[in-house]
This record gives sequence, C-alpha cells and structure tokens, in this order.
Amino acid sequence: ETGVTQSPTHLIKTRGQQVTLRCSSQSGHNTVSWYQQALGQGPQFIFQYYREEENGRGNFPPRFSGLQFPNYSSELNVNALELDDSALYLCASSLMGVSSQETQYFGPGTRLLVL
Amino acid sequence: SQQGEEDPQALSIQEGENATMNCSYKTSINNLQWYRQNSGRGLVHLILIRSNEREKHSGRLRVTLDTSKKSSSLLITASRAADTASYFCATVPGYSSASKIIFGSGTRLSIRP
Repeated sequence: ETGVTQSPTHLIKTRGQQVTLRCSSQSGHNTVSWYQQALGQGPQFIFQYYREEENGRGNFPPRFSGLQFPNYSSELNVNALELDDSALYLCASSLMGVSSQETQYFGPGTRLLVL
Repeated sequence: SQQGEEDPQALSIQEGENATMNCSYKTSINNLQWYRQNSGRGLVHLILIRSNEREKHSGRLRVTLDTSKKSSSLLITASRAADTASYFCATVPGYSSASKIIFGSGTRLSIRP
C-alpha cells in the first residue's frame, strides 16, 4: 500500500457530462501528478500540481483541469466528457526536491466509463 | 507520444527462468524508472537509475542503462508466478522544466507455473 487513495473507484458517465475525481496524497508529499491510462497503453501525463499551482501539463485540452488543496490532496475535473475519455485515471504523489522528479507513489486509480 | 518503448510487448516464460525487458527512449534524461502494474491497478515503483549510473540491483531485479544508445533493460531473475504483471519504463526528460514522467507502452509478462 502506498498511502495514496483515490475516489471513486469506478464511475459511469454519459457523453457531455462533467466529472470530478479525487486523490489524497501520501503523508509528507507536496506534489500530485495525474495520468490517464487507456486500455493496453501506458499512463499518459495530464498535469502536475506543486504547492497548489500547476507545475507542468501534458497534451490534454483545457477541459481537463485540476486543483490542489493546502493539505496537498487534489482533484481532477473533466468537462464535456467524450467517449475517448474512458480510461483508468491514476494519481501519484511525490516529494518535490531540488533535483528533478523522483519516485512517484500511485493510487489504485479511478476507472471511468463514458457512454 | 510515448518517450519510452518497451520490447517485447508481451513475454511468457516458465517459472524459475529469467525475464528480460528492454526500453528505448528518444531524448536525454535525468533518470529512468521501472514500474510494475497488476491487472489495471495502480503502479508500483520498482527501481530508479540516474543518467550517470550504468547498473543497479534490487533483490531479484537488475537494471542497466546505456545513455549512448538511449536504452535500458530490466532483468528479473528466478521468476515467480507472482511476477506476472505489466512492466513500464518511465523517463524524466532532461529538457523538461516541469517534473514530468513519460511512460512507455509496457511489457506484459506472464509466468507459467
């Protein structure tokens, strides 16, 4: 167990709806990253939050947005859901130091199905 | 697009044999990491090797890194049924100002009893 939790575990939405996924970081970690993993693929970096500010973003449209709270927990929001948004969404927490990204600790993921 | 590409995409071996997976990447890196994933669950960090390191060991795992060839390999010795999982290499690009990890597409390892 990594100490990173995500909710909900599973979710079914219809096209055009909005969804919010939640992540609680491992104790002592100040950075949260979000990934989208389609079936049979590797995780794709969505964005990262460090001290409540976005600290890098992958190739995802603006309808993917996020927040990080003072307790370092985080939310991923997706607006105007599309069928291709169906995937496993993973969050990972880490401790940002002076050097570049070190080990990330992943939660179990939220499986989103868009119908 | 994927930075790292694992080879082979799928591997099936007998329990007790060694399993070798390879990863190639495109840009300079700060470090390279290997992760394991069981059945679509969260990823588990296995080992990190820095760009100035050539080889690293952790238990039954051995990782090598060749920055001149932009490649890495993960060796699992004396495989067990519990090693059945997908294995991903992940790189932190040297050019990235953000701390961004880029994953490959993974190798699906199956250990036959």
